[in-house]
Amino acid sequence: DTAVSQTPKYLVTQMGNDKSIKCEQNLGHDTMYWYKQDSKKFLKIMFSYNNKELIINETVPNRFSPKSPDKAHLNLHINSLELGDSAVYFCASRAGNYNEQFFGPGTRLTVL
Amino acid sequence: AQSVTQPDIHITVSEGASLELRCNYSYGATPYLFWYVQSPGQGLQLLLKYFSGDTLVQGIKGFEAEFKRSQSSFNLRKPSVHWSDAAEYFCAVAPYNNNDMRFGAGTRLTVKP
Repeated sequence: DTAVSQTPKYLVTQMGNDKSIKCEQNLGHDTMYWYKQDSKKFLKIMFSYNNKELIINETVPNRFSPKSPDKAHLNLHINSLELGDSAVYFCASRAGNYNEQFFGPGTRLTVL
Repeated sequence: AQSVTQPDIHITVSEGASLELRCNYSYGATPYLFWYVQSPGQGLQLLLKYFSGDTLVQGIKGFEAEFKRSQSSFNLRKPSVHWSDAAEYFCAVAPYNNNDMRFGAGTRLTVKP
């Protein structure tokens, strides 16, 4: 029973395409996140959602849009993909204010 | 602005040797502190966390970390490293409401046989 799952695990696409990455958590957590990990392993938070409300939006291009159909899902949609979008994207979730974040296995996006 | 520094990009230790990974943070108040481990091609797994109380925290896989307020540090230790500990280790901090977690740049651990 995977706690935080992401699909797909690998995504290879051409520049200019639009793609989505899906994330689901079965932990009943209230808050979900998206992180980007670059080629140097640096992790940066992109978005978080709490009860379907966006509460963090770092300096991320508006080509990236998180979509949360319900508390258990936070999908990441990316328009007009660029070479620099190539990275590993991690979804995470958290319950309450005093708990750690649980991470998904990651989606490796390669833009050609 | 809050920040996390892991001074060591890469550390190599022999199997069975002790390990200490350094982490320093900069934040206005005592933040929540975490250590995560990432094995190749995997997601991040929590090793341990500090919110308050005893400054020496025990984690999984035999790891421990000590919070030192005076040094703004939260170093990770293990008395005897196993080959399976080879991975990337991330220190992270979060404010009191636990949003906006910031990660250090990571320390890659190599274990020699």
